[in-house]
Amino acid sequence: KNEVEQSPQNLTAQEGEFITINCSYSVGISALHWLQQHPGGGIVSLFMLSSGKKKHGRLIATINIQEKHSSLHITASHPRDSAVYICAVCSGNTPLVFGKGTRLSVIA
Amino acid sequence: NAGVTQTPKFRILKIGQSMTLQCTQDMNHNYMYWYRQDPGMGLKLIYYSVGAGITDKGEVPNGYNVSRSTTEDFPLRLELAAPSQTSVYFCASKGQGSTEAFFGQGTRLTVV
Repeated sequence: KNEVEQSPQNLTAQEGEFITINCSYSVGISALHWLQQHPGGGIVSLFMLSSGKKKHGRLIATINIQEKHSSLHITASHPRDSAVYICAVCSGNTPLVFGKGTRLSVIA
Repeated sequence: NAGVTQTPKFRILKIGQSMTLQCTQDMNHNYMYWYRQDPGMGLKLIYYSVGAGITDKGEVPNGYNVSRSTTEDFPLRLELAAPSQTSVYFCASKGQGSTEAFFGQGTRLTVV
């Protein structure tokens, strides 16, 4: 079974700071997901990647398959970025395995 | 196209009561999943289905049952609710050959 570790567990940042959240996994995968969950809210998919890098607005996700590691970066962070960010992995058609999430608070 | 729809959004149950959490998707996805999310923990897989008529246990199936009589619907049944089942439940679906998963909005269940 794949073990997914995220760091940090909690993160507080000042508005405008550059933020990095890390995810590592133990077994080779076919895809890695970064998800966002706002308080009391549902889960929204931010990125799905199997190699390289993807960018969407102020969010950037990278993955290193050899090192079994991915990072989610937020540039010019804003209070509305406050949420729980979750990393999840899958192999083929196996169910997603989730990390415990990183709780981000961005203070104005 | 509504995606994945879960009902209800919130529910309070008394110990020993039963209920069904509904999940339906309109994307003709073969794969459907039920997860529970507890504070400070990652989502854990309760049950999943790879197609109509096929279900399988996940990591934490005890106290739950599922059925998959149609491609669209994947209800989760709690027969004898216990306080340990207080959690937020998420349903998800995925298409054959795809790695992209779609999530419902979640059901917050409290058992008292």
